[in-house]
Amino acid sequence: QVQLQESGPGLVKPSETLSLTCTVSGGSVSSGTYYWSWIRQPPGKGLEWIGFIYHSGSTNYNPSLKSRVTISGDTSKNQFSLKLTSVTAADTAVYYCARGNWNHCDSWGQGVLVTVSS
Amino acid sequence: QSALTQPPSASGSPGQSVTISCTGTSSDVGFYNFVSWYQQHPGKAPKLMIYEVSKRPSGVPDRFSGSKSGNAASLTVSGLQAEDEADYYCSSYAGSNNLVFGGGTKLAVL
Repeated sequence: QVQLQESGPGLVKPSETLSLTCTVSGGSVSSGTYYWSWIRQPPGKGLEWIGFIYHSGSTNYNPSLKSRVTISGDTSKNQFSLKLTSVTAADTAVYYCARGNWNHCDSWGQGVLVTVSS
Repeated sequence: QSALTQPPSASGSPGQSVTISCTGTSSDVGFYNFVSWYQQHPGKAPKLMIYEVSKRPSGVPDRFSGSKSGNAASLTVSGLQAEDEADYYCSSYAGSNNLVFGGGTKLAVL
């Protein structure tokens, strides 16, 4: 049974870069079967897909965030990461990592709250 | 890409059935049979309940069912139980390896 765990700073200053890591156990990020995603949820609001990375290292991003987002993988540590640049208060959210395919996510991490504030 | 449209709230009594709608466009819900539904209890991560319009992952009760007609998809919860009270989100593949979510529906079991 796959498990995912997000980690990273809970507080980021405006204009800086948000960096999060998702550690995967019980599965491999190098598997050709799955896509590895980031999704976020502002407090009290709905879900927003950020993007994913898949087996070949290829990535796809939400067009509205594409200019600020990078998702990368580290197969040696069985992790994948999110970087979001030039953050503002609007980027304050619970960030989830998840496993799935190109159209749904079947396993989710517990989420990590990231607050953007000076 | 725009968010899919869901009603903000829905409700039903224990044992009843309730249906939650999810309206998209001919570029997402209407074009692809890749609609998913997630259940989210307060403070918890979302849980996949339905994928590819009407398929249930292992372990999801058959009280949960999904369908689609045109640009709208629906989630029906039959035989409502207290533990079904949660937020429900739809999502759809929107082409070019993009996903779009609905705004969520808060389901109350009265």
